[in-house]
Amino acid sequence: QKEVEQDPGPLSVPEGAIVSLNCTYSNSAFQYFMWYRQYSRKGPELLMYTYSSGNKEDGRFTAQVDKSSKYISLFIRDSQPSDSATYLCAMRSGAGSYQLTFGKGTKLSVIP
Amino acid sequence: GAGVSQSPRYKVAKRGQDVALRCDPISGHVSLFWYQQALGQGPEFLTYFQNEAQLDKSGLPSDRFFAERPEGSVSTLKIQRTQQEDSAVYLCASSLGQAFNEQFFGPGTRLTVL
Repeated sequence: QKEVEQDPGPLSVPEGAIVSLNCTYSNSAFQYFMWYRQYSRKGPELLMYTYSSGNKEDGRFTAQVDKSSKYISLFIRDSQPSDSATYLCAMRSGAGSYQLTFGKGTKLSVIP
Repeated sequence: GAGVSQSPRYKVAKRGQDVALRCDPISGHVSLFWYQQALGQGPEFLTYFQNEAQLDKSGLPSDRFFAERPEGSVSTLKIQRTQQEDSAVYLCASSLGQAFNEQFFGPGTRLTVL
């Protein structure tokens, strides 16, 4: 079993839908949780960054972390065709750590 | 916009050939990372530099993989005697100051070994 599990999809939704993306993890040392967006033939781009448990909102994006369940989510409201991409969750442990452990990514298509 | 750049963007090699992949980090970024992203997978950590010092190479899959950053800016990832399983996208990322700051990724080099 990998440290970070993420359903690869693909996930296809109509424009305007609410999208829910999720990851589970097994390493209880993870404290920092990130979501990256990766367009085809591009490098990952940081979307959301959360420390420990709780919610964080940025525009149409909301990240949730439940450390007790080892489960993180990214919600996208009012999804747009431009949101079509692969979404990668990533995690790292303590404040001095730098190694990111990624999920395999979920491919999202938002259909106009 | 001076983001992370990588070259070449695409590389085809015959099995057994040596390849060299280049990364130009964002100017002034102290930390530099290499990741390997196989098809349909997330990036996996290969190695980390702070300036010219390679502080972690625990993710390099074999001794055929070698990375350097001699002057603390440009980095090169070299793969000797390439194998088919080396086919992947190789991503470079850099961060300002401490290694645990946000990592900015380049577009990657897609390596195909025939």
